[in-house]
Amino acid sequence: AQRVTQPEKLLSVFKGAPVELKCNYSYSGSPELFWYVQYSRQRLQLLLRHISRESIKGFTADLNKGETSFHLKKPFAQEEDSAMYYCALRSSNTGKLIFGQGTTLQVKP
Amino acid sequence: DVKVTQSSRYLVKRTGEKVFLECVQDMDHENMFWYRQDPGLGLRLIYFSYDVKMKEKGDIPEGYSVSREKKERFSLILESASTNQTSMYLCATLDRNTYEQYFGPGTRLTVT
Repeated sequence: AQRVTQPEKLLSVFKGAPVELKCNYSYSGSPELFWYVQYSRQRLQLLLRHISRESIKGFTADLNKGETSFHLKKPFAQEEDSAMYYCALRSSNTGKLIFGQGTTLQVKP
Repeated sequence: DVKVTQSSRYLVKRTGEKVFLECVQDMDHENMFWYRQDPGLGLRLIYFSYDVKMKEKGDIPEGYSVSREKKERFSLILESASTNQTSMYLCATLDRNTYEQYFGPGTRLTVT
């Protein structure tokens, strides 16, 4: 079955601390993975996708096929990073996105 | 810039009422989606459409139907609203070149 799991509902860190939001997936085939973010009172939007291997707002995510993970990392958290983060897997046969349960990141001053 | 708009930000309806949620996009995207967003459950796909008059059930279609008469408009219909349909509803479109989904601002529906 295709599934995305984000084990943490809430992650709370202090400003300047490293952040890692966990995402594990199950998928038979070559996965395409994304991180979406929703800031307070804003719409959900794409943060980054694994295929472009880019860093956005200091965040990176590496696809680890051996561990079936796509964790989102940032070395030094900022207060403006506080948001809800969703990991998503694209189902190649339908194009649909399968979302994880979401993790709220709270960065304290 | 992709614009996805939803007809209402907040809606309060009574149990048993028929409810229409409208979504309009201006980017000529073929694929459109309706999700509901609940704490701890993430986004769950209700229905999606890959062309005018074409629709497919998502993961939780029960109690919902959809309509796609024009490419730019995708409507979600609650035939007889129930309290367990109180939720945030998100509409999205898909850019088939990048597979990026573009979301509307959401409609928070409360059924009393």
